[in-house]
Amino acid sequence: QQQVKQSPQSLIVQKGGISIINCAYENTAFDYFPWYQQFPGKGPALLIAIRPDVSEKKEGRFTISFNKSAKQFSLHIMDSQPGDSATYFCAASKSGGYQKVTFGTGTKLQVIP
Amino acid sequence: KAGVTQTPRYLIKTRGQQVTLSCSPISGHRSVSWYQQTPGQGLQFLFEYFSETQRNKGNFPGRFSGRQFSNSRSEMNVSTLELGDSALYLCASSPGGDNTEAFFGQGTRLTVV
Repeated sequence: QQQVKQSPQSLIVQKGGISIINCAYENTAFDYFPWYQQFPGKGPALLIAIRPDVSEKKEGRFTISFNKSAKQFSLHIMDSQPGDSATYFCAASKSGGYQKVTFGTGTKLQVIP
Repeated sequence: KAGVTQTPRYLIKTRGQQVTLSCSPISGHRSVSWYQQTPGQGLQFLFEYFSETQRNKGNFPGRFSGRQFSNSRSEMNVSTLELGDSALYLCASSPGGDNTEAFFGQGTRLTVV
C-alpha cells in the first residue's frame, strides 16, 4: 500500500525532445507528490511538486500531470537538454503527522545532443 | 538561507565498527528524516525526528538509531557495521506540520570494508 511504481527505468531522449516519466501510487492517503532530480554524487533536489486538487502544474520546462482517479502522475520535460541528464525520482507523502517520503525506483534520463 | 548540511561527506569503516553521521537542517525546520540509498534497494526511509522525538521508523534493524537535539540538528548511528550497510545516507529537512516539502543534503557516502 505504500509503494510508488515508476517507469521507465531508463530513458534516452534527443536534445529538444520531450521526456516523459510515469508513476503510480496505491495509498489514497498520499496528498503531496514531489519529483526529485539527482545528479551523481549529490543528494536529490526538489524539482516540482503537486497536490491532488489540481490536474496539472507547470514550472518552466517541467510539467506534472496528475490523474487522481487512476492514481497516476507523470513528469514531462519539454525541450530536453543535455544538462537535464540525471536520475529522476517520483515520490509521495501525506500531510500532518510524521514526515516520510515514499520514493519511486528512479528513472535515469540521458539527453543526447 | 543555508541548505541541509551533512558531515562527513565520505567515510570508510571496517566491518564490526560503529559510525555516527551528522545532519544540520535548514534554519527553522523542525523535522529531520534519514534515508538510505543503494543501487539495489533505492531510497529507503530510516526514521524521522521532530522536536527531539522519533515519530516514525522504517524497516531497519535496531543497529540503526538516531537522535535529534534541541537545535534540530540530528545524528544517526549505525553499530556493528556490516558490508551491506555501505550506502549513501541522506538527511532531509522539513518545516514540519502540514508543510511536507523535504529538502535533502548531499549525503554521507559510507563504505564498509
